[in-house]
Amino acid sequence: DGGITQSPKYLFRKEGQNVTLSCEQNLNHDAMYWYRQDPGQGLRLIYYSQIVNDFQKGDIAEGYSVSREKKESFPLTVTSAQKNPTAFYLCASSIQGSDTQYFGPGTRLTVL
Amino acid sequence: DQQVKQNSPSLSVQEGRISILNCDYTNSMFDYFLWYKKYPAEGPTFLISISSIKDKNEDGRFTVFLNKSAKHLSLHIVPSQPGDSAVYFCAASVYNAGNMLTFGGGTRLMVKP
Repeated sequence: DGGITQSPKYLFRKEGQNVTLSCEQNLNHDAMYWYRQDPGQGLRLIYYSQIVNDFQKGDIAEGYSVSREKKESFPLTVTSAQKNPTAFYLCASSIQGSDTQYFGPGTRLTVL
Repeated sequence: DQQVKQNSPSLSVQEGRISILNCDYTNSMFDYFLWYKKYPAEGPTFLISISSIKDKNEDGRFTVFLNKSAKHLSLHIVPSQPGDSAVYFCAASVYNAGNMLTFGGGTRLMVKP
């Protein structure tokens, strides 16, 4: 069964700690993306990667980092430098050359 | 500056009637548009898309209309069903230019039985 998985579903962290959100896909998609959604707002792009070992900053990359060591995996680290990290985080992927992105179920991060 | 706007944060419709969700954009370079449906605490699901070479695309109960001169698109759902109650996002891209999507803020649709 092909799809995108994100874990965990809910995540709590103390202020000042780094935390890593997992995103895995078995769709054989080349491109992967991380978005953030805040209440009542649309999705904002954090980072994206179109190929293994390469990634680019999106609109709101400050305080975040990513890696793309494998085609299937695109983990996002929320660092202590992110001023307002509490949000719903969504991972997506797409076929190279296609603008249709497919999303995972999301991770809700709450900073205590 | 929001390049994609959904000016109605919410919409309430009776079951069986038509739902019309609207989206406006400012970037004239956008030439591919998508609609996503999102339930709470879940990821968005792709619904339907349209490229700028067309002005209408249908898929079952869902139809997307594009008015390039007005930089406006709309999603029509006919007939509306209670299961359609969700938040709908429109998104836009410059086709085949890095697969980047710009999203609107979303419209919450409530379909009443």
